Amino acid sequence: GEDVEQSLFLSVREGDSSVINCTYTDSSSTYLYWYKQEPGAGLQLLTYIFSNMDMKQDQRLTVLLNKKDKHLSLRIADTQTGDSAIYFCADRPFGNEKLTFGTGTRLTIIP
Amino acid sequence: DTAVSQTPKYLVTQMGNDKSIKCEQNLGHDTMYWYKQDSKKFLKIMFSYNNKELIINETVPNRFSPKSPDKAHLNLHINSLELGDSAVYFCASSPRQGMGVFYGYTFGSGTRLTVV
Repeated sequence: GEDVEQSLFLSVREGDSSVINCTYTDSSSTYLYWYKQEPGAGLQLLTYIFSNMDMKQDQRLTVLLNKKDKHLSLRIADTQTGDSAIYFCADRPFGNEKLTFGTGTRLTIIP
Repeated sequence: DTAVSQTPKYLVTQMGNDKSIKCEQNLGHDTMYWYKQDSKKFLKIMFSYNNKELIINETVPNRFSPKSPDKAHLNLHINSLELGDSAVYFCASSPRQGMGVFYGYTFGSGTRLTVV
């Protein structure tokens, strides 16, 4: 079955860039997503990328996709305290509405 | 107006009890889901309904029974609750597949179930 892996923890100084990495195994993935979960809240869609794209930029967020290596990353520029959260990547296989989520990366901001 | 709303937000109950969690979406989406998030924050899909029809049923004990009275509602009933059922349960919805770009799911804020 599909497998989506992430590092569990990342600490970054305020103002630096954060890079959260994700690897997936399903080569038929069509869309890949990044979700943010703040404490006590549900998951909020941050951005997504279609599998035929290499990069997508949206304000402070940059998504990079290496389809050959099945590697996805999320870069947050100028990280702020409000970016503290758990970040989940997820993939959607072709013809399937089910999203498979990664293990989540807890991002901690150091003042 | 909340897009995907779940009730209750918190639920504390004793082992062996039966409980229900309700979910409603006002987005006009056709597909709804239940996900379970354990204490380590791992998210696992449990069920999915498309326009009241069950389309995904992962390996979940049959003590869990989803019910979709209409496409805007998906409820989760749990019989004979066990300690291991303690988790946060998230409801989500998405538009019908094939309707342009798939924007992923819209999630509810979760129901924290604690079984004592």
